[in-house]
Amino acid sequence: GIQVEQSPPDLILQEGANSTLRCNFSDSVNNLQWFHQNPWGQLINLFYIPSGTKQNGRLSATTVATERYSLLYISSSQTTDSGVYFCALTGGFKTIFGAGTRLFVKA
Amino acid sequence: ETGVTQSPTHLIKTRGQQVTLRCSSQSGHNTVSWYQQALGQGPQFIFQYYREEENGRGNFPPRFSGLQFPNYSSELNVNALELDDSALYLCASSLDRTTYGYTFGSGTRLTVV
Repeated sequence: GIQVEQSPPDLILQEGANSTLRCNFSDSVNNLQWFHQNPWGQLINLFYIPSGTKQNGRLSATTVATERYSLLYISSSQTTDSGVYFCALTGGFKTIFGAGTRLFVKA
Repeated sequence: ETGVTQSPTHLIKTRGQQVTLRCSSQSGHNTVSWYQQALGQGPQFIFQYYREEENGRGNFPPRFSGLQFPNYSSELNVNALELDDSALYLCASSLDRTTYGYTFGSGTRLTVV
């Protein structure tokens, strides 16, 4: 089955710092998504990005499908960016999530 | 436009009991997917319902079952609860069986003792 690996597992940043989160996957990509899970448990879709680069404010993502990885960039981090970031791939009717990167941004 | 709401938010059950979790989909969404998220892990797909029929299932035993109603709200039922069923249960609604453009609820935290 599809394998999704994320790194690093945990990350602590000082407010204002930049960071890069990585997602490696084992199969060809139909749909790759990045999610943020806030401290209250809700998952918010950040990007749908099977290939190429997208930007949304301080966040951007790049997927290199031929090399089977995706990167999520967070610039000028804020305390509200804290939470867990998941990479997820869709195969058919289900979505396979990685184990996540737990980010804590200190004020 | 309303979001996805789940109830209850927290629940404690005893091993061997049965539980029903509820999900109200975002307005206009006809597909609902359920996920189980154990502590410190990513969500795992349980099953998906589209227009009141099961559209696909993950690696979960038959004691995990679901229903979707004509108004597209849905239920997740778990029989014969086990300690390992303790988790956050998330539902996500979408349109026409798509798996992107999900709207997730905030989940139900189930504790089995």
